[in-house]
Amino acid sequence: NAGVTQTPKFQVLKTGQSMTLQCAQDMNHEYMSWYRQDPGMGLRLIHYSVGAGITDQGEVPNGYNVSRSTTEDFPLRLLSAAPSQTSVYFCASSYSYENNQPQHFGDGTRLSIL
Amino acid sequence: RKEVEQDPGPFNVPEGATVAFNCTYSNSASQSFFWYRQDCRKEPKLLMSVYSSGNEDGRFTAQLNRASQYISLLIRDSKLSDSATYLCVVNIRGSSNTGKLIFGQGTTLQVKP
Repeated sequence: NAGVTQTPKFQVLKTGQSMTLQCAQDMNHEYMSWYRQDPGMGLRLIHYSVGAGITDQGEVPNGYNVSRSTTEDFPLRLLSAAPSQTSVYFCASSYSYENNQPQHFGDGTRLSIL
Repeated sequence: RKEVEQDPGPFNVPEGATVAFNCTYSNSASQSFFWYRQDCRKEPKLLMSVYSSGNEDGRFTAQLNRASQYISLLIRDSKLSDSATYLCVVNIRGSSNTGKLIFGQGTTLQVKP
């Protein structure tokens, strides 16, 4: 019953460093997405994917890259970390974005950029 | 204008009260609608999907008004354990003709004894 697994759970970076947040799901879900959540705000969509090899931008894509080489994995890359990217990052997956398929969330990655 | 908008609250209500939240969306082609619940510093969890004819799950009732482009969540007989942030989620057509799920900013509910 792994569901959606995010690693790491916590990370502190210095400005300018790069890193990859990992997300894996074992439910054979087509749709995967990354969100960030800042204090007092809802979740904002960064990037999403409707299947292997297909990705698209969400609401706040700048400063982030994604790829979807397999159905299971959807890593999020910070190219050059900035303090404005300090946030809690959630990965989610669902069978489809249509037909009222609910999303399953990982536990989140708490990222601080100094 | 945000694609999905909610009144952030907070809504402070006594136990046993009935409380209602609204959420408006801008894309008339949206087909899927959800309410999620999020507890402090935790991941969001699905509360209920919202169907065209409206649906009920115990004390919770969700309704969809396509003409006015809003969804609502009604909580009856509020419990202390209902205290949380309630997020509405709508699917929006993406640039590559696929869909993306967009969250509102959430409405905070605090139920007091």
